[in-house]
Parts: sequence; C-alpha cells; structure tokens
Amino acid sequence: SQELEQSPQSLIVQEGKNLTINCTSSKTLYGLYWYKQKYGEGLIFLMMLQKGGEEKSHEKITAKLDEKKQQSSLHITASQPSHAGIYLCGADEGGSEKLVFGKGTKLTVNP
Amino acid sequence: GAVVSQHPSRVICKSGTSVKIECRSLDFQATTMFWYRQFPKQSLMLMATSNEGSKATYEQGVEKDKFLINHASLTLSTLTVTSAHPEDSSFYICSAQTAGLLGEKLFFGSGTQLSVL
Repeated sequence: SQELEQSPQSLIVQEGKNLTINCTSSKTLYGLYWYKQKYGEGLIFLMMLQKGGEEKSHEKITAKLDEKKQQSSLHITASQPSHAGIYLCGADEGGSEKLVFGKGTKLTVNP
Repeated sequence: GAVVSQHPSRVICKSGTSVKIECRSLDFQATTMFWYRQFPKQSLMLMATSNEGSKATYEQGVEKDKFLINHASLTLSTLTVTSAHPEDSSFYICSAQTAGLLGEKLFFGSGTQLSVL
C-alpha cells in the first residue's frame, strides 16, 4: 500500500517567517490532498493537486506537486499564529476513494 | 461546502460499555463514508469503509465485531465501539464522500474523543 512520509515532524517558527512542509510518496500520486487539523478537531481541506508540476495557492499557502508526482510541498509565506496546527497530506490509493495519510507536521508559530 | 456532523464530540465511558458515534451528512447524500482512528501525535488510520445499504469493509487488523458500523441511510453512518476497553480510547473521525467545488472529495466530521475508564 502507499506510504506517505512527511517532513519535518514538527516545526517551530517565528511569526512572519516562511516555511515549507514536504510530503513524499513511495508510489505515484494520483491525487494529493493537503489538510490542516488541530488535534482533537476535524480536518480542514486546504488544496488538492493532481497533475505533475501543478501548483495552487490560497491566501499565503502554496502547494506544489512535482513532475514525477511523488513529492508535494506546502509553503506558507509570512506565517501567522493562525497557521499553527497539524498539517496532513493525504493521497489516493490508486484512484480509489480511500485516502492514505502521512503522520502530519505539527506547526507552531510564535508571536 | 458540504457539511458533515459528528456526534458526540467527546464521550467518557466505563470499561465494558458500548459507545455509539454518529456521522451525518447534512446537505448532501453520501453513499460512502469512512471511519478513521487517530492516536496522539499519529496520523489518521482508516478503520473501515461504510457503504449505504451494505456491509462495511474493514481494514486489515480492525475487528468488525468490536467496531460495528451501520450505514442505514444516505445521510447517516454509525460506529459502535462494543465492550469498550481503555485501549480503545482514541480520537475517532468520520468522513463522507462527495464532489467538492475545490476538488476535494472527502468532507470530515469534527471527530469524537473517546475516553474509556
């Protein structure tokens, strides 16, 4: 089955700094989903990437999928305390409805 | 966007009792729902796929007699943790499948924190 490795596991940044979270797959990604979660709460959908080389942005968050469709990055520009949380990448298992998730990256933004 | 309601958000129960968690799609019909489990600092682990009108499909290692899933209507799936034990304490979260405007195809409930004493 597909495995997703996220790095780093945790990240502490000062407010205003940029940061990047990576998600690497052992197999070709058919669909890559980024979610944000505060532990003990539900998941907030951020973005979905499907095509190699695709890049999407929403407010200060940009997600990219590499050409080989095995790695994705999530970049936050000028981070704010409101960006704090756990970021999870999820991937289609061969185009099925199931999503496999990475272990998450815990982001702390210090004011 | 589509809304998925999960209830209760938190439950504390005694060992040996059963607990039912509900997952409802509020403004759409969901033929397929998924149940996940999450331990602290761990990722979401898929437990089972719930299909309306048919038996759930359980992932390897998940006891179907322990975690009973019922998907009797297009808007409701329930997960019952039977004879709960402390090791069942965890965060359970459901998701419902539907097409979203931004390409998302899963919408998540807000989760249920189960604590078994």
